[in-house]
Amino acid sequence: GAVVSQHPSRVICKSGTSVKIECRSLDFQATTMFWYRQFPKKSLMLMATSNEGSKATYEQGVEKDKFLINHASLTLSTLTVTSAHPEDSSFYICSAIGSASGSTDTQYFGPGTRLTVL
Amino acid sequence: SQQGEEDPQALSIQEGENATMNCSYKTSINNLQWYRQNSGRGLVHLILIRSNEREKHSGRLRVTLDTSKKSSSLLITASRAADTASYFCATDAPGSNYKLTFGKGTLLTVNP
Repeated sequence: GAVVSQHPSRVICKSGTSVKIECRSLDFQATTMFWYRQFPKKSLMLMATSNEGSKATYEQGVEKDKFLINHASLTLSTLTVTSAHPEDSSFYICSAIGSASGSTDTQYFGPGTRLTVL
Repeated sequence: SQQGEEDPQALSIQEGENATMNCSYKTSINNLQWYRQNSGRGLVHLILIRSNEREKHSGRLRVTLDTSKKSSSLLITASRAADTASYFCATDAPGSNYKLTFGKGTLLTVNP
């Protein structure tokens, strides 16, 4: 149990376009989802916390108008990178916590989405 | 901010040997978790240890936590080539609503 999926796994887009990434908890209801960004050979940096039915909470330095987060249901959160630029190229990973396996403390991570902006 | 620091940054061992990775953090925590990440992939949860626990085992994995020193260690016994990956520790602080702060990671290479 406790499977989190992401779609797409990789995307290449032109500069100026918007890209939507989906994060789904497949076998549990996620009360909270998190979005991270990871640069090559670096650690994960938390971008925002997403709770179902409410506005996302963004970390300092993360532009909320550029990285739009929607958490429409207990199993789906989306991250939209608006007007993407080459510097937005990165590996984006989501995680979810909920009632999976009886543990509400463990974060389960998706497989990540590799975004390349040309 | 990244409060976790893994040590060493890179570790190369032979198959069958044990691998020990350490993690230090700066603030008080609720839990400390260890994750594994294969290159270009997502994170796989290994073990969660709570602040009132000192040691936990899971298969070939052994995690210790010393809250007085604000440090944790991950021991992988009888390593296999398939254990080659990056290993991260992550902490969540009281009142943080489960927000994780990740360390920089240890790149473990197990040579066959």
